[in-house]
Amino acid sequence: GENVEQHPSTLSVQEGDSAVIKCTYSDSASNYFPWYKQELGKRPQLIIDIRSNVGEKKDQRIAVTLNKTAKHFSLHITETQPEDSAVYFCAASSYNQGGKLIFGQGTELSVKP
Amino acid sequence: DADVTQTPRNRITKTGKRIMLECSQTKGHDRMYWYRQDPGLGLQLIYYSFDVKDINKGEISDGYSVSRQAQAKFSLSLESAIPNQTALYFCATSEGLAGGQNEQFFGPGTRLTVL
Repeated sequence: GENVEQHPSTLSVQEGDSAVIKCTYSDSASNYFPWYKQELGKRPQLIIDIRSNVGEKKDQRIAVTLNKTAKHFSLHITETQPEDSAVYFCAASSYNQGGKLIFGQGTELSVKP
Repeated sequence: DADVTQTPRNRITKTGKRIMLECSQTKGHDRMYWYRQDPGLGLQLIYYSFDVKDINKGEISDGYSVSRQAQAKFSLSLESAIPNQTALYFCATSEGLAGGQNEQFFGPGTRLTVL
């Protein structure tokens, strides 16, 4: 079955710097890759997703890139702000699994003012 | 607002007890999921359901069972709770569009402690 590895497990940056979180997946049939943000004590919420027919997607300060050949995808946050501090999860899904998501282990991002 | 709710929000129980966690949604979504969250392990899928008559095991279904009583309700049961089932449990829902590969909406979570 699918396995998703996420790195780093913790990341600390200064406000205004960029942050990059990387994930690798094992199942070449995976074609949908969402990212979820979980603030302390809150529920996970989708922040961006990408499908395998595109290589990059941007939404304001966040972007996701996908390399299907290498089977990895990354989340990029630019101009980080203290409110970006949270745990971020990547996930992968293949079409024949009906939306079943396999999550990475999570990255705790801390943005220091 | 359409939402996903979970009851109870916190529960402390003893080893060997039967416990049920309930999830309700007013989003009108067909698909519902139960996840378990442990520190450093991310979110692990326990069971998922595509409709009332379609229930599937996830990655870690041993020791758990589920019931889809209606489109809007999906319950998770621990028949005989054990301490390593202490965790934060999330219910989630999604539409069936795009083969189900779209945003999942999570409930607020249930923190379960098994003594």
